[in-house]
Amino acid sequence: RKEVEQDPGPFNVPEGATVAFNCTYSNSASQSFFWYRQDCRKEPKLLMSVYSSGNEDGRFTAQLNRASQYISLLIRDSKLSDSATYLCVVNLNTGNQFYFGTGTSLTVIP
Amino acid sequence: ETGVTQTPRHLVMGMTNKKSLKCEQHLGHNAMYWYKQSAKKPLELMFVYSLEERVENNSVPSRFSPECPNSSHLFLHLHTLQPEDSALYLCASSQGRGVNTEAFFGQGTRLTVV
Repeated sequence: RKEVEQDPGPFNVPEGATVAFNCTYSNSASQSFFWYRQDCRKEPKLLMSVYSSGNEDGRFTAQLNRASQYISLLIRDSKLSDSATYLCVVNLNTGNQFYFGTGTSLTVIP
Repeated sequence: ETGVTQTPRHLVMGMTNKKSLKCEQHLGHNAMYWYKQSAKKPLELMFVYSLEERVENNSVPSRFSPECPNSSHLFLHLHTLQPEDSALYLCASSQGRGVNTEAFFGQGTRLTVV
């Protein structure tokens, strides 16, 4: 079983739309959760950490449901520049291991 | 820009060649990682070094040999690779254990084995 599972998409949405990505993780001992963004042929970069109480950064909202082992990312008012692959990442914190999902591809269309 | 630099950015090598990938982090982190990213697959963790000791080796073939001479530098020595080893190799660093300590990535080395 994969440590982290994501719907690979692709998601093609018009500018201004709201889009949500979901992710599930298999290890209940996971302690840290992140969303990374990866542009084509570039390295992954941290978009936001995901906190237990949920957190928001501008147009981006992340939620964590430990009981269901589920993480979500909501993007409001999509911009063309949001087009990228979004990676769900978990870390056990018992060792130095970051587990990545396959990523969800987003294309925002004019 | 990211604090983690990798060289070279691109590498083409024959199956009989020996080459090395280099990673350097300027963030004062104590853990460094090698990941492999192939098309349509999640990032695969290859090796983890924490405080210069290898703490993880994810069943990686012996044709990949890591080296961590100090907490700022990480190498991946390559020899007798196969075409299926062609991928993007990403180095990352983090501040070791702790809640919400994220990993910072280098720009990667795009490796092609011919």
